[in-house]
Amino acid sequence: DVKVTQSSRYLVKRTGEKVFLECVQDMDHENMFWYRQDPGLGLRLIYFSYDVKMKEKGDIPEGYSVSREKKERFSLILESASTNQTSMYLCASRNRGFLAGESYNEQFFGPGTRLTVL
Amino acid sequence: GENVEQHPSTLSVQEGDSAVIKCTYSDSASNYFPWYKQELGKRPQLIIDIRSNVGEKKDQRIAVTLNKTAKHFSLHITETQPEDSAVYFCAAIPNTGNQFYFGTGTSLTVIP
Repeated sequence: DVKVTQSSRYLVKRTGEKVFLECVQDMDHENMFWYRQDPGLGLRLIYFSYDVKMKEKGDIPEGYSVSREKKERFSLILESASTNQTSMYLCASRNRGFLAGESYNEQFFGPGTRLTVL
Repeated sequence: GENVEQHPSTLSVQEGDSAVIKCTYSDSASNYFPWYKQELGKRPQLIIDIRSNVGEKKDQRIAVTLNKTAKHFSLHITETQPEDSAVYFCAAIPNTGNQFYFGTGTSLTVIP
């Protein structure tokens, strides 16, 4: 059973603080993702990583950075937190596979971190 | 890039009725279409998926249909029950990439 864990369920920070959100998966998945979830906007991709030390920007990377030094761990960093970064943050992982040339495979989500920036 | 639109944003049905959620996509290279269910306070979980070489897939009370020509796919839930109340997300994944493109979600409420 795939397990994706996130370091905190709830986090309260002040404007300007540097914030680290950690995600760990235990299934040796290559791909890892960070999303933020806001009402009416669905799941928006911030960054993803397709392998160790590799990263790609998603749809809303501004104000965020990421780090993937080990395969099982993917960190999201808010360099200087702002109130508009108050949100639910979801991490996910996926084992990229191929079947007859098609990519597929489920994304497994972590429980989420509810971040409030005051 | 891919653009996924999902309708309706909210849906209320009486218990026992059917519910249908529709998504459209823009990239003809997309070939994998999963549906995720997110119950209140919980993480999204895959409930059903379909690949581009299949037109319909069923799993008990849920089914997904895909129309590649029109670039739309739908989730059908029959005989709805209160435990089906949740937010449902569709997604489209192009063959060439790693990124999942999600719809904005549908909040389904099943009224007992």
